[in-house]
Amino acid sequence: DSGVTQTPKHLITATGQRVTLRCSPRSGDLSVYWYQQSLDQGLQFLIQYYNGEERAKGNILERFSAQQFPDLHSELNLSSLELGDSALYFCASSVDHTAPGNTIYFGEGSWLTVV
Amino acid sequence: AQKITQTQPGMFVQEKEAVTLDCTYDTSDPSYGLFWYKQPSSGEMIFLIYQGSYDQQNATEGRYSLNFQKARKSANLVISASQLGDSAMYFCAMRPHSYSGAGSYQLTFGKGTKLSVIP
Repeated sequence: DSGVTQTPKHLITATGQRVTLRCSPRSGDLSVYWYQQSLDQGLQFLIQYYNGEERAKGNILERFSAQQFPDLHSELNLSSLELGDSALYFCASSVDHTAPGNTIYFGEGSWLTVV
Repeated sequence: AQKITQTQPGMFVQEKEAVTLDCTYDTSDPSYGLFWYKQPSSGEMIFLIYQGSYDQQNATEGRYSLNFQKARKSANLVISASQLGDSAMYFCAMRPHSYSGAGSYQLTFGKGTKLSVIP
């Protein structure tokens, strides 16, 4: 158990719909990352938050957004879903985002299937 | 920009034997960290081992060790005494370090190596 909690574990939804994925980081971790893993694209960095503030954006579509709340949990919102959004979405956390030795731990992922 | 290359899409190893999974990287950052993760078929991403670029000794964690050769920019994972439960995808990843706290330093992943342990 990495200590990073993601919900839901599995989600099936229709095209055009909107879903919210939730992540609780490890206790004490201030930095949260979201990654998307698909068969054709591999592991892609989406977005990072540190202590409530957005720090970096990767390959995140405009239809996707995220936020980190004061209690440090984070949500990834996916809207106007398309078939190609079907993927495994990971949340990860670390104490901070830059210093040496800070390990990044991943949650178990949220499997999203768009039908 | 960082790049991770894992040249072995798939590997087989006999149970109880040792196996080395290759990873080479490219970066211009002076300080960085290298990570290995295991992803079983159930999907979760499990942290295995970490090596800092300035660490003098190769990292070890139980049956996992990292053969770090900085000049060659390689960070191979060695699994000793393979077990059936080691069958999984293995990902090498890296991220740069910062001592100033500025910027964003997310992980860059390789494409992974699928390891199959044969009884």
